[in-house]
Amino acid sequence: GAVVSQHPSWVICKSGTSVKIECRSLDFQATTMFWYRQFPKQSLMLMATSNEGSKATYEQGVEKDKFLINHASLTLSTLTVTSAHPEDSSFYICSAPSSGASYEQYFGPGTRLTVT
Amino acid sequence: GQQVMQIPQYQHVQEGEDFTTYCNSSTTLSNIQWYKQRPGGHPVFLIQLVKSGEVKKQKRLTFQFGEAKKNSSLHITATQTTDVGTYFCAGLTTNAGKSTFGDGTTLTVKP
Repeated sequence: GAVVSQHPSWVICKSGTSVKIECRSLDFQATTMFWYRQFPKQSLMLMATSNEGSKATYEQGVEKDKFLINHASLTLSTLTVTSAHPEDSSFYICSAPSSGASYEQYFGPGTRLTVT
Repeated sequence: GQQVMQIPQYQHVQEGEDFTTYCNSSTTLSNIQWYKQRPGGHPVFLIQLVKSGEVKKQKRLTFQFGEAKKNSSLHITATQTTDVGTYFCAGLTTNAGKSTFGDGTTLTVKP
């Protein structure tokens, strides 16, 4: 099956700094990628839809200036958490839908962000 | 907006017992997908249901899609310790173009 990678797998940063997370589709092209946030023992909350070559679509309540998304190529989307605060600590997961009509999503392994 | 509710939130069973999780959508769905997330891992696609009343089986797992395409269930027969994890349903509505995940059901299996 299709593989999606994420980097880094975990990161610890200080409050006020910015962190960039990369999501790559390794063996297929993805014009669309999704970014989710997951708190412990909770569901996946869709943050935004990343669109190759155009602006991302953010879900209601997600600050676009805080969570910057760039989808510069058909295999790479990045999420930058700007001026991170402890409340941004979470598990961030990206996914890319299959190229077929099924919309099956291939998830990356996730990035654990801890802001101190 | 669209809401997808899943129950129960947690289920503890003895190995060998059956397990069922239910998913209900506030709107009619184009399809519904099921994912499994092992502890510490990421969601992995299990199956997709598209047709009204559809039933699909994968070994001990049985997936159903309701006639009205607003609810779905996942049933595991004779659970094993390898079934441990959180099971999510994800409903897709065509006009939304994206899936909405349920809250998940976390299954623990006592050997």
